[in-house]
Amino acid sequence: SAVISQKPSRDICQRGTSLTIQCQVDSQVTMMFWYRQQPGQSLTLIATANQGSEATYESGFVIDKFPISRPNLTFSTLTVSNMSPEDSSIYLCSVRQFDTEAFFGQGTRLTVV
Amino acid sequence: QQQVKQSPQSLIVQKGGISIINCAYENTAFDYFPWYQQFPGKGPALLIAIRPDVSEKKEGRFTISFNKSAKQFSLHIMDSQPGDSATYFCAASSSPSGGYQKVTFGTGTKLQVIP
Repeated sequence: SAVISQKPSRDICQRGTSLTIQCQVDSQVTMMFWYRQQPGQSLTLIATANQGSEATYESGFVIDKFPISRPNLTFSTLTVSNMSPEDSSIYLCSVRQFDTEAFFGQGTRLTVV
Repeated sequence: QQQVKQSPQSLIVQKGGISIINCAYENTAFDYFPWYQQFPGKGPALLIAIRPDVSEKKEGRFTISFNKSAKQFSLHIMDSQPGDSATYFCAASSSPSGGYQKVTFGTGTKLQVIP
């Protein structure tokens, strides 16, 4: 199984600012995923990040709002830009290696005030 | 449409009882059905998973029942314990050769096991 570390675990941010969330995996993985989980809700995929290529965004999510970097096979960042209270949520990093199960980080709980 | 419908939204079970959570899907291309358990403040963790070539899979107190013709699958937690209190998500994905399909999650079931 993969061990995933996310930083920060939580943050309170002012509206209009940006926050970068880091995701570090203890092994090389092909695909990394970023999810959003609003309180009491299910997981919504934001984007898929492959090393060496542009992230693929799901409907309703755009690169200008959620830029993603994937500089190597063990690390990725998600930035939440120009934040508003509607961005308050838990952001989760996940990895999967083709046929293996998905593993999740512990999440970043973001509150925008 | 790539949807997975999950019920109930919440569930209260007595300690020692059986917890049952149901899911239904529409996309017949789905061929992998995992269940995730999530405790407050934690990310989801894989609990048990099944592929459609079997009708049932059991791991300890957790059993998945799968009905391919009805496009339904369910999680049964036997002898439920207070430590099982968590939110459970069913999910589904397909595995085309040479590629990956995203995991589609159900809406979640908040389980509370009372002593």
